[in-house]
Amino acid sequence: ETGVTQTPRHLVMGMTNKKSLKCEQHLGHNAMYWYKQSAKKPLELMFVYSLEERVENNSVPSRFSPECPNSSHLFLHLHTLQPEDSALYLCASSQEAGAREKLFFGSGTQLSVL
Amino acid sequence: GDSVTQMEGPVTLSEEAFLTINCTYTATGYPSLFWYVQYPGEGLQLLLKATKADDKGSNKGFEATYRKETTSFHLEKGSVQVSDSAVYFCALSGQAGNNRKLIWGLGTSLAVNP
Repeated sequence: ETGVTQTPRHLVMGMTNKKSLKCEQHLGHNAMYWYKQSAKKPLELMFVYSLEERVENNSVPSRFSPECPNSSHLFLHLHTLQPEDSALYLCASSQEAGAREKLFFGSGTQLSVL
Repeated sequence: GDSVTQMEGPVTLSEEAFLTINCTYTATGYPSLFWYVQYPGEGLQLLLKATKADDKGSNKGFEATYRKETTSFHLEKGSVQVSDSAVYFCALSGQAGNNRKLIWGLGTSLAVNP
């Protein structure tokens, strides 16, 4: 148990659906992240939030929309996804956004887009 | 730019065998180096790290030495167990500013048979 909880664990959605991924951290950290993990590719950093403010957006398509209502919760809203968006989406947190070396990851949401 | 190269897997070993997973890097300056581990169905966890040349990181019987002369950070364990079956990721982080971003290898899958 890393202190970072993600739901749902698995999600299957059609290309016209709207769904949301949820992440909650119980560690008192100030920074939260969304990563995409695809086969044969390095981990891709998508978004970084520090104290509920988005500090990094790494050229992610607008069909992915993050939301951070407070320092403990992070959402990733999904709409009109493409099959190539199928992947494991990992949430992580760290004490500060600058301290990215010590990341605590959730177990991920395995997303399949049909 | 900075990059990390890991040996391709999968690596399959018998219990109590010696493990080496190679990792080499390209970076400017003096990066910090990390090994993360991802057990089946879980998110990544920091396994060990080293922040300067000749440092040795160790944890759970695993070791890795920061070798600046060969730009390497190979992961080793003297006697693996079935419970070590996982995917291992090598990563680096630069010194400051945007270089603090983690750069990831592709991961090496390890399967240990009883």
